[in-house]
Amino acid sequence: DAKTTQPPSMDCAEGRAANLPCNHSTISGNEYVYWYRQIHSQGPQYIIHGLKNNETNEMASLIITEDRKSSTLILPHATLRDTAVYYCIVRVASGGSNYKLTFGKGTLLTVNP
Amino acid sequence: DAGVTQSPTHLIKTRGQQVTLRCSPKSGHDTVSWYQQALGQGPQFIFQYYEEEERQRGNFPDRFSGHQFPNYSSELNVNALLLGDSALYLCASSLGFGGQSNQPQHFGDGTRLSIL
Repeated sequence: DAKTTQPPSMDCAEGRAANLPCNHSTISGNEYVYWYRQIHSQGPQYIIHGLKNNETNEMASLIITEDRKSSTLILPHATLRDTAVYYCIVRVASGGSNYKLTFGKGTLLTVNP
Repeated sequence: DAGVTQSPTHLIKTRGQQVTLRCSPKSGHDTVSWYQQALGQGPQFIFQYYEEEERQRGNFPDRFSGHQFPNYSSELNVNALLLGDSALYLCASSLGFGGQSNQPQHFGDGTRLSIL
């Protein structure tokens, strides 16, 4: 699986949009981008995933650049409960197999009042 | 709709002992993966089970073994415990092989294992 690079930490004001970047310059054509977050003492929570088109769900939006070498997770109106470590993961999803997730250290997002 | 459930939530063992951790997957899921998360680190993949067989394995010694039952639930066994095995053990379930390969894995809240 391709390696990802994320900033170790970011701050965001409550009510503002949080934009979390991720670089995955060695991504292959059959690899998806997944985002998870982990709030202290809980298991990772799935947020969103995509291949090459922008995706949106009730939690967030995922913007993938045209060359697929980077992506941005957008939380449109951050709340204090969004304070967590956010993981960007690139994973092969082809051949009928559900491949393992390879986690890095993620980005600690702190939402401030 | 119950999500992934793990038991116990906390466990304390001593070096050399053996431990068994349990996981029930999310309803409708047939694949279970286990991860180890040391303090301050991201989760590390241990192994994955589908159709009661180990399908993928990470870089973990044979002291780590598992099992999947016909109802898709799973156990993680660790023998000859070491101090370094202290970690949060996470179970993730998914709809696995064949046609749904891009579907996400969903995690439980883990078992916190402490080795004294």
